[in-house]
Amino acid sequence: KNEVEQSPQNLTAQEGEFITINCSYSVGISALHWLQQHPGGGIVSLFMLSSGKKKHGRLIATINIQEKHSSLHITASHPRDSAVYICAVRSDSGGSNYKLTFGKGTLLTVNP
Amino acid sequence: NAGVMQNPRHLVRRRGQEARLRCSPMKGHSHVYWYRQLPEEGLKFMVYLQKENIIDESGMPKERFSAEFPKEGPSILRIQQVVRGDSAAYFCASSPIRVEQPQHFGDGTRLSIL
Repeated sequence: KNEVEQSPQNLTAQEGEFITINCSYSVGISALHWLQQHPGGGIVSLFMLSSGKKKHGRLIATINIQEKHSSLHITASHPRDSAVYICAVRSDSGGSNYKLTFGKGTLLTVNP
Repeated sequence: NAGVMQNPRHLVRRRGQEARLRCSPMKGHSHVYWYRQLPEEGLKFMVYLQKENIIDESGMPKERFSAEFPKEGPSILRIQQVVRGDSAAYFCASSPIRVEQPQHFGDGTRLSIL
C-alpha cells in the first residue's frame, strides 16, 4: 500500500462544477503539499498546509490531521484547471523532514 | 526573480551514452532536490544536496547515477551508460530553508532513451 493515496485517479467535469480531490496518507507528517502539473509541463506548488484550511482564489485545501486526510476543492471549475493534481507529504521524522512522498496524482479534465 | 531553471527541457540519448541534467536553483536557495517521475508513476525522491554536500542520496540508484552541487554553477544529475528504463521526467526543486519553506520546482527534463 502506498503511503499517499489519492482519489479519484481520473476526474472529468463540466465547466462550472465544484471539484473535490482527496488525499489520504498513512505516515506522520509535518506538512502536506498540493501541486499542479500541466501535461508536459512543470510543477507548481499550490498549497502547503499543516492544519486547518487555506484558500487561494477558487482553490481551497483542507487537512484533518487526526484522520490523515486532505482535500483539494476547486470552485467554478474552468477548462484551464485541467491538469494533474498531486498530493505530497513531508515526513515528520526529524532527520529526514525535507523528504516529500508523493501520491500518483489525479488527472482532472474540465470540459467547456 | 527567476524560478528554478532546468536544462535541457528534452534530452534524447542512445543506450550506453551519458546524460547530464542541469538545475539552477532560485536565487538565494542553497538546497536542491532531485525527483524522478517514471511513466504512469508518481514522483520519487532521488537526492538532496546543499552546496558542495550530498545530504541524502537514498533514493538514487547505486549504480550509474551521481549528483553534485558545486560551490559555483548549477546542480548536475549525471546518468552514465543509460538504459531504456532511465526514460523519465527528472524534476529539480530548491528551497531556501529545509523545512519551513515550500520547495519550488523546475519545469523538468524529459529524458528519452532510444
